[in-house]
Amino acid sequence: DGGITQSPKYLFRKEGQNVTLSCEQNLNHDAMYWYRQDPGQGLRLIYYSQIVNDFQKGDIAEGYSVSREKKESFPLTVTSAQKNPTAFYLCASSRAGGLDTGELFFGEGSRLTVL
Amino acid sequence: DAKTTQPTSMDCAEGRAANLPCNHSTISGNEYVYWYRQIHSQGPQYIIHGLKNNETNEMASLIITEDRKSSTLILPHATLRDTAVYYCIVSGTSYGKLTFGQGTILTVHP
Repeated sequence: DGGITQSPKYLFRKEGQNVTLSCEQNLNHDAMYWYRQDPGQGLRLIYYSQIVNDFQKGDIAEGYSVSREKKESFPLTVTSAQKNPTAFYLCASSRAGGLDTGELFFGEGSRLTVL
Repeated sequence: DAKTTQPTSMDCAEGRAANLPCNHSTISGNEYVYWYRQIHSQGPQYIIHGLKNNETNEMASLIITEDRKSSTLILPHATLRDTAVYYCIVSGTSYGKLTFGQGTILTVHP
């Protein structure tokens, strides 16, 4: 079935370590997104990509990095520079970017806890 | 980018219609209104979106006022499984950038 797969679902890391969250989609979507969600809060956009080899910073990009080398993959690295990385991370994709992005498909999320 | 205002929480009896309001008074002419919902600890699920006209699909109806400053999401026959956080979002001027606020917690009671 088509969809978005995020891994791992749960991740623990020590302070000072970088960690990479995987996001893969088989929907043939051009656009992909990373959001962060803190308890009781809405989603905040970290990075988004309209097309392969191109990506843009969202509202809270500091301490994060991404790559978009393949259409189906958009990994997120949480670096040691991110001061408060414990959160729920959500990846999404859509047919194309633009004011009418249409339907965003979300993965099940990755919950990162920094010990 | 246009901001949205939603009530923090609402209740609805099972089988009744749930009407969720959203205010977006600063919306511009080419911005769309989107609705998503999120069940606890899952990824948000798209419900419906529209520009000017009312829209209906198998999940819900979206009513947008003529001046486009507000909208209402209608779940015609709410079930317990509709208990979730509902987000009203206006597409921003930056391509592909949807900003999620805190949404409305809808609780459907038996």
